Amino acid sequence: GQQLNQSPQSMFIQEGEDVSMNCTSSSIFNTWLWYKQDPGEGPVLLIALYKAGELTSNGRLTAQFGITRKDSFLNISASIPSDVGIYFCAGQRGGSQGNLIFGKGTKLSVKP
Amino acid sequence: ETGVTQSPTHLIKTRGQQVTLRCSSQSGHNTVSWYQQALGQGPQFIFQYYREEENGRGNFPPRFSGLQFPNYSSELNVNALELDDSALYLCASSYASGQETQYFGPGTRLLVL
Repeated sequence: GQQLNQSPQSMFIQEGEDVSMNCTSSSIFNTWLWYKQDPGEGPVLLIALYKAGELTSNGRLTAQFGITRKDSFLNISASIPSDVGIYFCAGQRGGSQGNLIFGKGTKLSVKP
Repeated sequence: ETGVTQSPTHLIKTRGQQVTLRCSSQSGHNTVSWYQQALGQGPQFIFQYYREEENGRGNFPPRFSGLQFPNYSSELNVNALELDDSALYLCASSYASGQETQYFGPGTRLLVL
């Protein structure tokens, strides 16, 4: 099935570092969403973006809906240990195509 | 917590068997979507139900079928199970309003032997 291009695939963080990840698509979406998934759990919604160019924050998380409607990024500032997990971007066209199309995820781990 | 619940949490079946997974949507939500998540992958859309009818389907064969009930809860049925059906099955509920943000349940982990 179709998946978005999400990068990086994985990254190691040290507490206090800022983190960036992004998602691109060959087609346009009307909504971009970012989810976090912990092992054995379902994805938890972090941020939803509904308009091209929109920049939205949720605590230390900031996400933007790209102007072309084909990309989005997520930044995490001053990371903490509980930020560890898998982050997914998802695009949604809306209307009769209300399904989400997901990226493969970015796995955040703590630097040894 | 999202208020979306799924049962059972884990299930083991053998090839060829049939399985039914259940989902209760968040209060106030009228749309349920089902996704299959293989290990190391993002969720893949199976189908969506709105007002008790299928409202969109992904690239899954007809042996994947579903139901939505008047209280908006939903079932996913899979017939003739194959080894590749082993995955985490997620349901997400939303309110059909144009901005249909989907909230996920914890999933059912299915293992087919």
